[in-house]
Amino acid sequence: NAGVTQTPKFQVLKTGQSMTLQCAQDMNHEYMSWYRQDPGMGLRLIHYSVGAGITDQGEVPNGYNVSRSTTEDFPLRLLSAAPSQTSVYFCASSYSGTRSTGELFFGEGSRLTVL
Amino acid sequence: GNSVTQMEGPVTLSEEAFLTINCTYTATGYPSLFWYVQYPGEGLQLLLKATKADDKGSNKGFEATYRKETTSFHLEKGSVQVSDSAVYFCAQAGGGNKLTFGTGTQLKVEL
Repeated sequence: NAGVTQTPKFQVLKTGQSMTLQCAQDMNHEYMSWYRQDPGMGLRLIHYSVGAGITDQGEVPNGYNVSRSTTEDFPLRLLSAAPSQTSVYFCASSYSGTRSTGELFFGEGSRLTVL
Repeated sequence: GNSVTQMEGPVTLSEEAFLTINCTYTATGYPSLFWYVQYPGEGLQLLLKATKADDKGSNKGFEATYRKETTSFHLEKGSVQVSDSAVYFCAQAGGGNKLTFGTGTQLKVEL
């Protein structure tokens, strides 16, 4: 199984540029989420979705948009990149409801640098 | 709000040494607790979990016991190997599938 696939793995942007980080999972998970990982701060939740057509904000949503048009895909959009968004981004998914075990399955991460 | 606090790293040990990484949490109620591990260049993966007080999670020689009296979930391993070098994250379950993570503790094991 491919699991959770993120693209691109590395990206360099200039301030003000826009881009989309892609995330796809093939495990038929209802729940998908985006985290950012920064030194000394652990992982912080940006946005999450409990199913197609449903999204909600996490701890640090400002500057990011998401959509969930299918169960498999959960893209993260940066509309106008800022240096403060330099980070490593992780997509994670899991079952929810009665099938939930609490375990999140993570992608390999996308390292973004904003100059 | 809910939070997770883990010991600062990096932790450097010799192979076959005993490992403890401390983790404490604050929460209302008794959330499920987790340890995740991140090997270099990879995403996080679940190492072990405990869903209620006094539960012991174990995997790959690692153990952690859910202690509600001390609100702790310390990670231990009796004899570490070089291959255990990684970053370890303690986490607690929030509402739904959301997890709150600690800041991570880097472990380096040397020969």
